[in-house]
Amino acid sequence: TQLLEQSPQFLSIQEGENLTVYCNSSSVFSSLQWYRQEPGEGPVLLVTVVTGGEVKKLKRLTFQFGDARKDSSLHITAAQPGDTGLYLCVAGNNRKLIWGLGTSLAVNP
Amino acid sequence: ETGVTQTPRHLVMGMTNKKSLKCEQHLGHNAMYWYKQSAKKPLELMFVYNFKEQTENNSVPSRFSPECPNSSHLFLHLHTLQPEDSALYLCASSLEGNPSGAPYEQYFGPGTRLTVT
Repeated sequence: TQLLEQSPQFLSIQEGENLTVYCNSSSVFSSLQWYRQEPGEGPVLLVTVVTGGEVKKLKRLTFQFGDARKDSSLHITAAQPGDTGLYLCVAGNNRKLIWGLGTSLAVNP
Repeated sequence: ETGVTQTPRHLVMGMTNKKSLKCEQHLGHNAMYWYKQSAKKPLELMFVYNFKEQTENNSVPSRFSPECPNSSHLFLHLHTLQPEDSALYLCASSLEGNPSGAPYEQYFGPGTRLTVT
């Protein structure tokens, strides 16, 4: 069974702080996506990465796909209250999607 | 209205009731999905429809019955549910299913919060 582990499970920080959340597996994946789910809403896609070592930036968010395509990280610089939400990673392999449990982030003003 | 809409947003039902969840997408997509989101569990894919045809059923109990009359509408009919079926039910759509294995973007609705008493 392929599993995706996300860490930390919960994170509560002050506005302006930096943070990194992780998505790890023992399996190799062909792609990895990060979604953010705000309270009372469905997940929204943030980024898709497909190449080992790939780094993508989206404003204050930096996403990296591990060289071996088994893990990924999401770094947020100067977090804002609007970043609050559940960050979900989902890996693709053999036409299947595998979802992680998510990291629940709270950014306090 | 744009995007993916779901109704109702909240539903409380007894174990003997019959109810239906509705999903509508206004994005011109051809694939639609039902997911179950429970606390402390990853998102569980329940059903996939491509061009109105069911292409995936992930061992979902028969008390959940999907219906896809056209590419824009998706229903989930519920009957004789159990308390453990209480969860957030998310509908999603994408341009098409995943025939090539390439990553694709799913657009999610806000979900229906279901409580079975």
